[in-house]
Amino acid sequence: DVKVTQSSRYLVKRTGEKVFLECVQDMDHENMFWYRQDPGLGLRLIYFSYDVKMKEKGDIPEGYSVSREKKERFSLILESASTNQTSMYLCASRYIRDYEQYFGPGTRLTVT
Amino acid sequence: EDQVTQSPEALRLQEGESSSLNCSYTVSGLRGLFWYRQDPGKGPEFLFTLYSAGEEKEKERLKATLTKKESFLHITAPKPEDSATYLCAVQPSTSGTYKYIFGTGTRLKVLA
Repeated sequence: DVKVTQSSRYLVKRTGEKVFLECVQDMDHENMFWYRQDPGLGLRLIYFSYDVKMKEKGDIPEGYSVSREKKERFSLILESASTNQTSMYLCASRYIRDYEQYFGPGTRLTVT
Repeated sequence: EDQVTQSPEALRLQEGESSSLNCSYTVSGLRGLFWYRQDPGKGPEFLFTLYSAGEEKEKERLKATLTKKESFLHITAPKPEDSATYLCAVQPSTSGTYKYIFGTGTRLKVLA
């Protein structure tokens, strides 16, 4: 079974803090994704990584950055957290030749 | 504009009462349509991929079908453990292979 894990299930941070969310997959997938999920808006893509050190901006990259130094690990960084970044953050991965994404359990981030 | 609409937003069924969930899409070319199940506070779990009109896939009590404008997720004789939010996503063929458009989901509650 594909396994995608995320570093925290719940996280509470203060406005202005730098926040790191980590995602690890164990299936040697080339592609990895970061989404946020908000009620009534569906999943929105923040960043996508083709492979190690490769990244592409998604639909809502403002206020976020990413890092992919190893194939199995994809990190999402909130440089200076704001209250409008309170959300559920979901990581996903897939093989380069497949279209099915496999998601992690999510991190519910609250910024106060 | 590429768009995915799921209906109904919420559905309550009695155990054993079969029904269908709808995913309507407007895209300029379809690379694939995906169904996911999401339990509260968890990440989406992949169910099916459909690629072309007329295609059908089944898994236990679930059957997904695809036409040129919509997909249906049929649930036969549901059980309480089928209660979840069901998400539909499409991948337009005219966008990069990392682009997915997600619907906002149908929240299904099956009563014992």
